[in-house]
Amino acid sequence: AQSVTQLGSHVSVSEGALVLLRCNYSSSVPPYLFWYVQYPNQGLQLLLKYTTGATLVKGINGFEAEFKKSETSFHLTKPSAHMSDAAEYFCAVSEGDFNKFYFGSGTKLNVKP
Amino acid sequence: DTAVSQTPKYLVTQMGNDKSIKCEQNLGHDTMYWYKQDSKKFLKIMFSYNNKELIINETVPNRFSPKSPDKAHLNLHINSLELGDSAVYFCASSQEGKTQYFGPGTRLLVL
Repeated sequence: AQSVTQLGSHVSVSEGALVLLRCNYSSSVPPYLFWYVQYPNQGLQLLLKYTTGATLVKGINGFEAEFKKSETSFHLTKPSAHMSDAAEYFCAVSEGDFNKFYFGSGTKLNVKP
Repeated sequence: DTAVSQTPKYLVTQMGNDKSIKCEQNLGHDTMYWYKQDSKKFLKIMFSYNNKELIINETVPNRFSPKSPDKAHLNLHINSLELGDSAVYFCASSQEGKTQYFGPGTRLLVL
């Protein structure tokens, strides 16, 4: 069975500091991996995705994530946090039957001035 | 030029009522989904339609009935609303099961 684990339901960083949001997954086949961001009272917006090819993927707003098969991880990073990054972040994975997405429980990022 | 739209945005109703939420996508996608997000922000898929055919039907009370009149629309009808149905319901769409694009959500509050 597929599962997605996001370590840390709340992460707090100072403005300008490194952002690291963790995501681990379990999958029996090569997965497709996604990060979505949800701003307050809004829908989910795609940040970035990994399907095949280069394992380091770049997304919008300066975010990037690296697929590490050996660690079954897809952690999201940003070198320098901005106040506008404060939001809820969701990791998601889909398998061969990729109509079905499995979402992690979300990580709320707080950015302190 | 909205990609995935939902109506209404907010829905406040009494227990026992029947209500519908509508979703439309103008992306030309072949697959549409309904998700429920609870108060702890946990997202769970409810249904998925591919070219108007039901392909995913998770363990959802049969008070919930999706209807897809065409590829661009997926509506969700809920009978006999209960307090526990209060949540945010998101519609999404994708092409060939790849990246899902989400609507803005419908905030349902059952009193």
